[in-house]
Amino acid sequence: QVQLQESGPGLVKPSETLSLTCTVSGGSVSSGSYYWNWIRQPPGKGLEWIGYIYYSGSTNYNPSLKSRVTISVDTSKNQFSLKLSSVTAADTAVYYCARGYYYDSTYYPPGDWGQGTLVTVSS
Amino acid sequence: DIQMTQSPSSLSASVGDRVTITCRASQGISNYLAWYQQKPGKVPKLLIYAASTLQSGVPSRFSGSGSGTDFTLTISSLQPEDVATYYCQKCNSAWTFGQGTKVEI
Repeated sequence: QVQLQESGPGLVKPSETLSLTCTVSGGSVSSGSYYWNWIRQPPGKGLEWIGYIYYSGSTNYNPSLKSRVTISVDTSKNQFSLKLSSVTAADTAVYYCARGYYYDSTYYPPGDWGQGTLVTVSS
Repeated sequence: DIQMTQSPSSLSASVGDRVTITCRASQGISNYLAWYQQKPGKVPKLLIYAASTLQSGVPSRFSGSGSGTDFTLTISSLQPEDVATYYCQKCNSAWTFGQGTKVEI
């Protein structure tokens, strides 16, 4: 059974870059059958999709965040990462990593999620 | 950008009631629609994908329907453990969540 675990700083200063890593166990980020997502949820609010990456390096980002987001995969460590630049208080949220199934050119919605990590943007 | 609008934003029903939540897309999205359940303080759980396909392990009282712009999630007989917020998600191109529907008993 796959497990995903987010890690990274819980506090980031405004204007700096938020960096998170998702470590995958029980599965491989190199698998062509899956793709890897980041999703966030501000405290007390709804879900916001950030973007995803396929093992080949192909990415898809939320247009509202695209200019600030980079998602990458590290096959040697079986991890994938999120970088969000120029953060503000509006980026304060629980950040989730998640795995979705890929088949026949279709990205199925993610069924496996990490527990989430709270990132607060504050000076 | 295609917007996803859920209704109602919240509802209260009794145990055993049939509950229906609606999700409307501002443009047609075929059947690229998923539903998630998020219980208080918990991680979202995928219930339905491709508008009507039940994720493995999800109770059969949950069902989804619709295509194009109008979709519904139905709980045929509401149970106490179904208290949660439910989100629809557009699953093509720029993925987008609805704003959520809070279900209470």
